[in-house]
Amino acid sequence: AQSVTQPDIHITVSEGASLELRCNYSYGATPYLFWYVQSPGQGLQLLLKYFSGDTLVQGIKGFEAEFKRSQSSFNLRKPSVHWSDAAEYFCAVLGDAGNMLTFGGGTRLMVKP
Amino acid sequence: GAGVSQSPSNKVTEKGKDVELRCDPISGHTALYWYRQSLGQGLEFLIYFQGNSAPDKSGLPSDRFSAERTGGSVSTLTIQRTQQEDSAVYLCASSTDTDQPQHFGDGTRLSIL
Repeated sequence: AQSVTQPDIHITVSEGASLELRCNYSYGATPYLFWYVQSPGQGLQLLLKYFSGDTLVQGIKGFEAEFKRSQSSFNLRKPSVHWSDAAEYFCAVLGDAGNMLTFGGGTRLMVKP
Repeated sequence: GAGVSQSPSNKVTEKGKDVELRCDPISGHTALYWYRQSLGQGLEFLIYFQGNSAPDKSGLPSDRFSAERTGGSVSTLTIQRTQQEDSAVYLCASSTDTDQPQHFGDGTRLSIL
């Protein structure tokens, strides 16, 4: 069965600094991978997805992620963080049957002024 | 356009009562999913509907949980004889097809007293 690990439960960065959130997955075939963001009291908003092709994918709000098969990783990056980026971020992989998402435990991002 | 709509946004009920949670997917989305988000367990898949096919109920935690989808659109998740461990945020998502990105509602926060 597939699994997703987000090693960092909390991360604090200064506004304007760069950001990288780690995600490692376990999956037998070529994975469909996603990053979602959740603000307090809100649902999950899709930031970006990887299905195939170019391993560097661009998303909304200036985020990007790079798929590295050799490392089973799909890390999320942003060159310059804004205070409004403070939220919880979830990495997810689509299951074998193409239906359910398996999520990592999430990384809570705090942004210092 | 309109996103996934869930109601109620909050529900407080006494242990042992039955509750119904509603989800209106994005118009035209054939796939609908329910997830549960709790502090101890993170985000967990519950059930999945695709068109007229039999639902995938593999994530339902007990036989107290059931869900239906009427007319291929609105879905209701029912929890019978609620227990305190059922307290969580219940998230609904929909997508155009099984291997497409899932779009989430804001969830129903369920509290069992």
